[in-house]
Amino acid sequence: GQQLNQSPQSMFIQEGEDVSMNCTSSSIFNTWLWYKQDPGEGPVLLIALYKAGELTSNGRLTAQFGITRKDSFLNISASIPSDVGIYFCAGPNPDTSYGKLTFGQGTILTVHP
Amino acid sequence: EPEVTQTPSHQVTQMGQEVILRCVPISNHLYFYWYRQILGQKVEFLVSFYNNEISEKSEIFDDQFSVERPDGSNFTLKIRSTKLEDSAMYFCASGQGDTEAFFGQGTRLTVV
Repeated sequence: GQQLNQSPQSMFIQEGEDVSMNCTSSSIFNTWLWYKQDPGEGPVLLIALYKAGELTSNGRLTAQFGITRKDSFLNISASIPSDVGIYFCAGPNPDTSYGKLTFGQGTILTVHP
Repeated sequence: EPEVTQTPSHQVTQMGQEVILRCVPISNHLYFYWYRQILGQKVEFLVSFYNNEISEKSEIFDDQFSVERPDGSNFTLKIRSTKLEDSAMYFCASGQGDTEAFFGQGTRLTVV
Protein backbone atom coordinates (compact mmCIF):
# COMPACT_ATOMS: atom_id res chain seq x y z
CA GLY A 1 0.00 0.00 0.00
CA GLN A 2 0.88 3.66 0.02
CA GLN A 3 3.67 4.65 2.42
CA LEU A 4 4.77 8.10 3.47
CA ASN A 5 8.14 8.50 5.16
CA GLN A 6 8.78 11.57 7.24
CA SER A 7 12.11 12.90 8.42
CA PRO A 8 13.41 13.67 10.85
CA GLN A 9 11.48 11.57 13.37
CA SER A 10 12.05 14.22 16.03
CA MET A 11 13.62 17.64 16.41
CA PHE A 12 14.75 19.60 19.44
CA ILE A 13 15.27 23.28 18.69
CA GLN A 14 15.60 26.62 20.42
CA GLU A 15 12.86 29.19 20.23
CA GLY A 16 13.46 31.50 17.27
CA GLU A 17 15.13 28.87 15.09
CA ASP A 18 13.77 27.83 11.72
CA VAL A 19 12.59 24.25 11.19
CA SER A 20 12.45 22.10 8.09
CA MET A 21 10.91 18.66 7.77
CA ASN A 22 10.01 16.55 4.79
CA CYS A 23 7.90 13.72 3.55
CA THR A 24 8.63 11.28 0.74
CA SER A 25 6.68 8.59 -1.01
CA SER A 26 7.53 5.79 -3.39
CA SER A 27 4.45 6.63 -5.42
CA ILE A 28 2.89 9.79 -6.79
CA PHE A 29 0.43 11.84 -4.81
CA ASN A 30 -1.90 14.43 -6.34
CA THR A 31 -2.48 16.28 -3.09
CA TRP A 32 -0.24 16.81 -0.08
CA LEU A 33 -1.61 17.81 3.29
CA TRP A 34 0.27 18.90 6.40
CA TYR A 35 -1.36 18.47 9.82
CA LYS A 36 -0.30 19.36 13.35
CA GLN A 37 -1.41 17.30 16.33
CA ASP A 38 -1.23 18.51 19.92
CA PRO A 39 -1.25 15.88 22.71
CA GLY A 40 -4.71 14.39 23.18
CA GLU A 41 -6.17 16.34 20.28
CA GLY A 42 -7.11 15.62 16.69
CA PRO A 43 -4.91 16.58 13.72
CA VAL A 44 -5.41 20.17 12.58
CA LEU A 45 -4.97 20.93 8.89
CA LEU A 46 -2.19 23.48 8.38
CA ILE A 47 -1.61 23.58 4.63
CA ALA A 48 -3.03 21.80 1.58
CA LEU A 49 -1.07 21.55 -1.68
CA TYR A 50 -2.74 20.60 -4.95
CA LYS A 51 -0.23 21.15 -7.75
CA ALA A 52 3.31 19.95 -8.39
CA GLY A 53 5.77 22.76 -7.64
CA GLU A 54 3.21 24.70 -5.61
CA LEU A 55 4.62 26.74 -2.73
CA THR A 56 2.07 27.83 -0.14
CA SER A 57 2.41 29.84 3.06
CA ASN A 58 0.24 30.07 6.16
CA GLY A 59 1.76 32.64 8.51
CA ARG A 60 5.18 31.35 9.57
CA LEU A 61 4.60 28.04 7.81
CA THR A 62 5.61 27.34 4.22
CA ALA A 63 5.08 24.08 2.38
CA GLN A 64 6.00 22.92 -1.09
CA PHE A 65 4.65 20.18 -3.32
CA GLY A 66 7.66 18.52 -4.97
CA ILE A 67 8.01 18.58 -8.73
CA THR A 68 8.21 14.78 -8.89
CA ARG A 69 4.94 14.60 -6.88
CA LYS A 70 6.67 12.15 -4.57
CA ASP A 71 7.74 14.56 -1.87
CA SER A 72 6.82 17.65 0.11
CA PHE A 73 8.49 19.78 2.73
CA LEU A 74 7.24 21.97 5.54
CA ASN A 75 9.22 24.89 6.94
CA ILE A 76 8.45 26.80 10.12
CA SER A 77 10.23 30.10 10.54
CA ALA A 78 11.09 31.76 13.86
CA SER A 79 9.70 28.91 15.98
CA ILE A 80 7.79 29.65 19.19
CA PRO A 81 6.92 27.33 22.11
CA SER A 82 3.37 26.72 20.86
CA ASP A 83 4.80 25.13 17.70
CA VAL A 84 5.46 22.05 19.85
CA GLY A 85 3.57 19.02 18.61
CA ILE A 86 3.61 16.26 16.06
CA TYR A 87 3.56 17.23 12.39
CA PHE A 88 2.08 14.75 9.94
CA CYS A 89 2.11 14.76 6.19
CA ALA A 90 -0.81 13.02 4.52
CA GLY A 91 -2.24 12.45 1.10
CA PRO A 92 -5.31 10.92 -0.46
CA ASN A 93 -4.66 7.58 -2.14
CA PRO A 94 -4.43 8.44 -5.85
CA ASP A 95 -5.61 4.94 -6.81
CA THR A 96 -9.00 5.46 -5.22
CA SER A 97 -11.40 8.30 -4.72
CA TYR A 98 -13.40 9.07 -1.57
CA GLY A 99 -10.58 10.67 0.33
CA LYS A 100 -8.79 7.81 2.06
CA LEU A 101 -5.78 9.56 3.56
CA THR A 102 -2.45 7.90 4.13
CA PHE A 103 -0.46 9.49 6.97
CA GLY A 104 3.25 9.60 7.59
CA GLN A 105 4.57 8.52 10.95
CA GLY A 106 5.04 12.10 12.09
CA THR A 107 7.84 14.46 13.12
CA ILE A 108 7.87 15.32 16.81
CA LEU A 109 8.89 18.94 17.36
CA THR A 110 10.14 20.21 20.72
CA VAL A 111 10.91 23.91 21.11
CA HIS A 112 13.00 25.05 24.07
CA PRO A 113 12.25 28.59 25.26
CA GLU B 1 -15.36 28.54 12.75
CA PRO B 2 -17.28 25.31 12.05
CA GLU B 3 -15.72 22.18 13.50
CA VAL B 4 -16.21 18.46 13.79
CA THR B 5 -17.40 17.49 17.26
CA GLN B 6 -17.10 14.05 18.84
CA THR B 7 -18.66 12.50 21.91
CA PRO B 8 -17.71 11.16 24.34
CA SER B 9 -14.17 12.43 24.74
CA HIS B 10 -13.24 9.30 26.68
CA GLN B 11 -14.99 5.93 26.82
CA VAL B 12 -13.98 3.02 29.01
CA THR B 13 -15.62 -0.30 28.23
CA GLN B 14 -15.35 -3.95 29.17
CA MET B 15 -13.97 -6.35 26.59
CA GLY B 16 -16.82 -7.85 24.60
CA GLN B 17 -19.13 -4.89 25.08
CA GLU B 18 -20.55 -2.80 22.26
CA VAL B 19 -19.61 0.87 21.97
CA ILE B 20 -20.97 3.64 19.81
CA LEU B 21 -18.81 6.65 19.08
CA ARG B 22 -20.63 9.72 17.91
CA CYS B 23 -19.68 12.56 15.61
CA VAL B 24 -21.28 15.68 14.22
CA PRO B 25 -19.45 16.56 11.00
CA ILE B 26 -19.23 20.09 9.59
CA SER B 27 -22.68 20.84 8.24
CA ASN B 28 -22.07 21.39 4.51
CA HIS B 29 -19.58 18.55 4.14
CA LEU B 30 -20.38 15.53 2.04
CA TYR B 31 -17.55 13.10 2.85
CA PHE B 32 -17.24 11.51 6.27
CA TYR B 33 -14.49 9.38 7.72
CA TRP B 34 -13.35 7.46 10.74
CA TYR B 35 -9.67 7.12 11.54
CA ARG B 36 -7.92 5.65 14.55
CA GLN B 37 -4.59 6.23 16.22
CA ILE B 38 -3.07 3.72 18.59
CA LEU B 39 -1.00 5.46 21.26
CA GLY B 40 2.30 6.66 19.84
CA GLN B 41 1.54 5.56 16.30
CA LYS B 42 0.38 7.21 13.12
CA VAL B 43 -3.20 7.94 12.15
CA GLU B 44 -4.81 5.03 10.25
CA PHE B 45 -7.80 5.12 7.91
CA LEU B 46 -10.79 3.01 8.87
CA VAL B 47 -13.68 3.93 6.59
CA SER B 48 -15.06 6.61 4.31
CA PHE B 49 -18.75 7.34 3.81
CA TYR B 50 -20.32 9.26 0.96
CA ASN B 51 -23.82 9.50 -0.43
CA ASN B 52 -25.20 7.45 2.47
CA GLU B 53 -23.00 4.46 1.95
CA ILE B 54 -19.53 3.18 2.68
CA SER B 55 -17.24 4.13 -0.19
CA GLU B 56 -14.05 2.54 1.07
CA LYS B 57 -12.83 0.64 4.11
CA SER B 58 -9.50 -0.65 5.33
CA GLU B 59 -8.66 -4.17 6.44
CA ILE B 60 -8.94 -2.91 10.04
CA PHE B 61 -12.64 -2.25 9.45
CA ASP B 62 -13.86 -5.83 9.81
CA ASP B 63 -17.32 -7.17 10.61
CA GLN B 64 -17.07 -5.88 14.18
CA PHE B 65 -17.30 -2.33 12.88
CA SER B 66 -20.20 -0.48 11.33
CA VAL B 67 -21.03 3.13 10.54
CA GLU B 68 -24.30 4.93 10.27
CA ARG B 69 -25.62 8.36 9.47
CA PRO B 70 -28.95 8.07 11.28
CA ASP B 71 -30.07 11.62 10.55
CA GLY B 72 -28.84 14.69 8.71
CA SER B 73 -26.24 15.63 11.30
CA ASN B 74 -24.81 12.63 13.16
CA PHE B 75 -22.28 10.04 12.01
CA THR B 76 -21.60 7.08 14.27
CA LEU B 77 -19.06 4.29 14.54
CA LYS B 78 -20.19 1.12 16.29
CA ILE B 79 -17.83 -1.58 17.52
CA ARG B 80 -19.92 -4.66 18.23
CA SER B 81 -17.73 -6.67 20.57
CA THR B 82 -14.71 -4.73 21.69
CA LYS B 83 -11.28 -6.30 22.02
CA LEU B 84 -8.31 -5.06 24.03
CA GLU B 85 -6.54 -4.11 20.80
CA ASP B 86 -9.39 -1.75 19.88
CA SER B 87 -8.06 0.66 22.51
CA ALA B 88 -7.06 3.80 20.60
CA MET B 89 -8.03 7.36 19.79
CA TYR B 90 -10.82 7.36 17.23
CA PHE B 91 -11.11 10.42 15.02
CA CYS B 92 -14.06 11.44 12.94
CA ALA B 93 -13.33 13.68 9.97
CA SER B 94 -15.31 15.35 7.23
CA GLY B 95 -14.64 17.15 3.97
CA GLN B 96 -16.46 19.08 1.26
CA GLY B 97 -14.52 17.20 -1.39
CA ASP B 98 -12.46 14.06 -1.28
CA THR B 99 -9.02 15.67 -1.15
CA GLU B 100 -8.83 17.04 2.38
CA ALA B 101 -10.33 16.23 5.74
CA PHE B 102 -11.02 18.16 8.90
CA PHE B 103 -10.72 16.19 12.10
CA GLY B 104 -12.58 16.19 15.38
CA GLN B 105 -10.82 16.20 18.73
CA GLY B 106 -11.18 12.43 19.05
CA THR B 107 -12.65 9.86 21.41
CA ARG B 108 -10.19 7.94 23.53
CA LEU B 109 -11.48 4.37 23.76
CA THR B 110 -10.06 2.20 26.51
CA VAL B 111 -11.04 -1.47 26.53
CA VAL B 112 -10.38 -3.24 29.82
